Amino acid sequence: ETGVTQSPTHLIKTRGQQVTLRCSSQSGHNTVSWYQQALGQGPQFIFQYYREEENGRGNFPPRFSGLQFPNYSSELNVNALELDDSALYLCASSLRDGYEQYFGPGTRLTVT
Amino acid sequence: RKEVEQDPGPFNVPEGATVAFNCTYSNSASQSFFWYRQDCRKEPKLLMSVYSSGNEDGRFTAQLNRASQYISLLIRDSKLSDSATYLCVVNRLKSGAGSYQLTFGKGTKLSVIP
Repeated sequence: ETGVTQSPTHLIKTRGQQVTLRCSSQSGHNTVSWYQQALGQGPQFIFQYYREEENGRGNFPPRFSGLQFPNYSSELNVNALELDDSALYLCASSLRDGYEQYFGPGTRLTVT
Repeated sequence: RKEVEQDPGPFNVPEGATVAFNCTYSNSASQSFFWYRQDCRKEPKLLMSVYSSGNEDGRFTAQLNRASQYISLLIRDSKLSDSATYLCVVNRLKSGAGSYQLTFGKGTKLSVIP
């Protein structure tokens, strides 16, 4: 096990709602990256947090936002949910700013 | 062109077979390379890093050719437990952000058949 935890495991939301997903990084890791994995695809990079600041972002709209806390845990917030947001959301922690990342079990989000 | 491309698969092989996965990447600034394994409805798990000199871990051998921008993974004597999706991953320093960004291929599904 990697020591990276995520909550909740599963979530069902309605289009237009907002959702918050949570991630606790592995002990000693100060960087958290978030990914979206649609069915049948590889994970797509959303953004990364390093020492509580956003440190890189992929091609996702501003309604995807995040936070990192002093204990290096992190949240992913998605506003105005769309059907295409249905996916497995993965967080990954690393020792330095993104090199060799270890994934949590993911949160499976279904938007209806 | 996608930044990381893999064989589309799926691969169905008998136990004991040797299977090879191929991957190409388009960004020459990519700095490090990995193979991840993902079981059905689980998270990706780091299988091995890939070095230019090639590296081996038991039945698994990974190779990198920077000139051709090509990565491979060879599994020898495949076991039923090797059945999974194999993801090719490249890592590069994202300019202006000071962070490494992982880019994943779509993955190749392997089924090892008794």
